[in-house]
Amino acid sequence: EVQLVESGGGLGQPGGSLRLSCATSGFTFSKYSMNWVRQAPGKGLEWVSYISSSSNIIEYGDSVKGRFAISRDTAQDSLYLQMNSLRAEDTAVYYCARVRIVAAMGYYYMDVWGKGTTVTVSS
Amino acid sequence: EIVLTQSPGTLSLSPGERATLSCRASQTITSSYLAWYQQKPGQAPRLLIYGASNRATGIPDRFSGSGSGTDFTLTISRLEPEDFAVYYCQQYGSSQFTFGPGTKVDIK
Repeated sequence: EVQLVESGGGLGQPGGSLRLSCATSGFTFSKYSMNWVRQAPGKGLEWVSYISSSSNIIEYGDSVKGRFAISRDTAQDSLYLQMNSLRAEDTAVYYCARVRIVAAMGYYYMDVWGKGTTVTVSS
Repeated sequence: EIVLTQSPGTLSLSPGERATLSCRASQTITSSYLAWYQQKPGQAPRLLIYGASNRATGIPDRFSGSGSGTDFTLTISRLEPEDFAVYYCQQYGSSQFTFGPGTKVDIK
């Protein structure tokens, strides 16, 4: 069974740091690009960051650029999000999602999602 | 930057009725880059449609997607009780992803 399990959420201080992890299983992690997506309380979905299967392409949403860093460890089949300079507006549920790419057809979408981990930024 | 707009914000319907949800892009997008997700309270999003019109694995055929250019539609032919949820469209471009604000389908 394909699974994504996020961890590392919790209470963070404004200006502080947190590191989120996403443990994957049931598929060949090294072959897939991955995303982090977040959802503030009562709000919609916001894409946060993308990393390609080989880590050669990394992208960030404007609201986290320069503060967050995405990475992956193939040996651990895990995805990470280092969150620095935290702000109150970073408070959200953070989901990791597998990116399915069918290049021949031009399909790019997120086909598997974790249950999310909650980050609260407050003093 | 492409902005996605979804309408209506809320759709109040009864079970058995047809739901038509709209997603409009601020500029032309490639249809293959358009996806739809369903999210229920307290749950992660679930992929419904990819490539504008392809149902994901296990998605009932009452869900269908259509559209091209800037205008895309998700149709639920006959609402079942489990279909009352929030629906998001999403587009891809240059290794970045954008979501629409969502349409809530609630019970009338």
